[in-house]
Amino acid sequence: QSALTQPASVSGSPGQSITLSCTGTSNDVGAYNYVSWYQQHPGKAPKLLIYDVTDRPSGVSHRFSGSKSGNTAFLTISGLQAEDGADYYCTSYTISGTPVVFGGGTKLTVL
Amino acid sequence: EVQLVESGGVVIQPGGSLRLSCAASGFTFDDYTMHWVRQAPGKGLEWVSLITWDGGSSYYAESVKGRFTISRDNSRNSLYLQMNSLRTEDTALYYCAKGTTSRASMDVWGQGTTVTVSS
Repeated sequence: QSALTQPASVSGSPGQSITLSCTGTSNDVGAYNYVSWYQQHPGKAPKLLIYDVTDRPSGVSHRFSGSKSGNTAFLTISGLQAEDGADYYCTSYTISGTPVVFGGGTKLTVL
Repeated sequence: EVQLVESGGVVIQPGGSLRLSCAASGFTFDDYTMHWVRQAPGKGLEWVSLITWDGGSSYYAESVKGRFTISRDNSRNSLYLQMNSLRTEDTALYYCAKGTTSRASMDVWGQGTTVTVSS
C-alpha cells in the first residue's frame, strides 16, 4: 500500500480544467512544503512537473499548477490537451521512516 | 546535455546479487543527492534509496533495507546500487534520478535498466 493516496483514475475533456489529489498525513504532506508531482507517459521516464508544492521547473507548461490544503496536495491541469493523458505521481518528504514516499499514481484519460 | 544512463540489469535467480550503475553527465554530479526509484511491471513508482552529495548519508525503503546498498563515486560521476538476496518482488525497471536543491524531488531521470528475478 502506497504511503500517499491518489485516485486510481480521472478523466476530462479537452479544454477542461482538472484537479488531481494526493492525500498524506501530518508526517508528510501536512508537515512540509516538499510535495512534487511527476508525469509519466507509457514506456517513458517520469518528468518533474511541480516541486515544493507550487513551483514549476523551467520548461514546464504554465497549465500545470500545484497547491496544498492540510494533508492533501493538488495538481491542477488547465486547458486539458490530448497529450496530457498520462500517469501522474505525487511524492513528499516525510519524517516517518524513509524520507521519500510516492503516491500510487493517477491515470488521466483525456476523452 | 544533462543525462543519466543506467546499466547492469539482467535476469537473475532468487537469492542472487547484482550491481546497477548509473553514469551521469552534463551537470556537477557531486553537488546533488541521487536516488534510485523502481517500477514493477504495470505498477506505480516506488522510491528505493538515496545518497547525499558526498556519500555521507544514505536511506532506504523498508522493502530493501538490509539487502540493497547505494553508493557513489564522484570522481567517476557514477551512482551504484548493490542488490543482494534478490527476491521475485524486486523485479522492476530501476531508474536513477538526480535530486534537486529541494527535498524529495527529482528533476532528471534515466531511461531505466530492467532487473528480472526469476527461477
